[in-house]
Amino acid sequence: DAGVIQSPRHEVTEMGQEVTLRCKPISGHNSLFWYRQTMMRGLELLIYFNNNVPIDDSGMPEDRFSAKMPNASFSTLKIQPSEPRDSAVYFCASSGTGGFWTDTQYFGPGTRLTVL
Amino acid sequence: GDSVTQMEGPVTLSEEAFLTINCTYTATGYPSLFWYVQYPGEGLQLLLKATKADDKGSNKGFEATYRKETTSFHLEKGSVQVSDSAVYFCAPFGAAGNKLTFGGGTRVLVKP
Repeated sequence: DAGVIQSPRHEVTEMGQEVTLRCKPISGHNSLFWYRQTMMRGLELLIYFNNNVPIDDSGMPEDRFSAKMPNASFSTLKIQPSEPRDSAVYFCASSGTGGFWTDTQYFGPGTRLTVL
Repeated sequence: GDSVTQMEGPVTLSEEAFLTINCTYTATGYPSLFWYVQYPGEGLQLLLKATKADDKGSNKGFEATYRKETTSFHLEKGSVQVSDSAVYFCAPFGAAGNKLTFGGGTRVLVKP
């Protein structure tokens, strides 16, 4: 099993540019989560999907952030326009069938985003 | 306020020492409780979990017991190794709404 795949692993961009982060969940998993990790705020849940449908996006910081899951094997997190305070490590995680929240979440390696 | 309180690090230990990381939470009802570990440069991995009161989760020599009366889920290991150096996160489900809430993480450094 390849695990959760995220791309790119590192992204450096300039303020105002659009940034798209990508995630491929583990095959067969039906829930997908986007997290952001910073020193100041720790690990925050941004949004999660179940069966490709967004369930809770209350963690999305503002309208500059958007996430999509067009099919069961792919999700994107987009920031437009990006700002320096968006610099963080963004993690994608997926979990499988069974109990929605008691299932283990499997994390990807993360995308380290730096906005100059 | 925070719904998960986790002891601050860094915690520096010598190999074979005993490790305890405290975690307490506030929640309505009885959430499932998790410990995740993050090794340098990697994503988080589930270390252990407990889904009901008095359950004990265990993995890789680590243990944690779900203490309903004290709303705690302290992580322990009797003899740490250098390879246990990582950041450990306590994460109850339901402490702050219908989702997992991660504590601030505790960095552990084990020296040979």
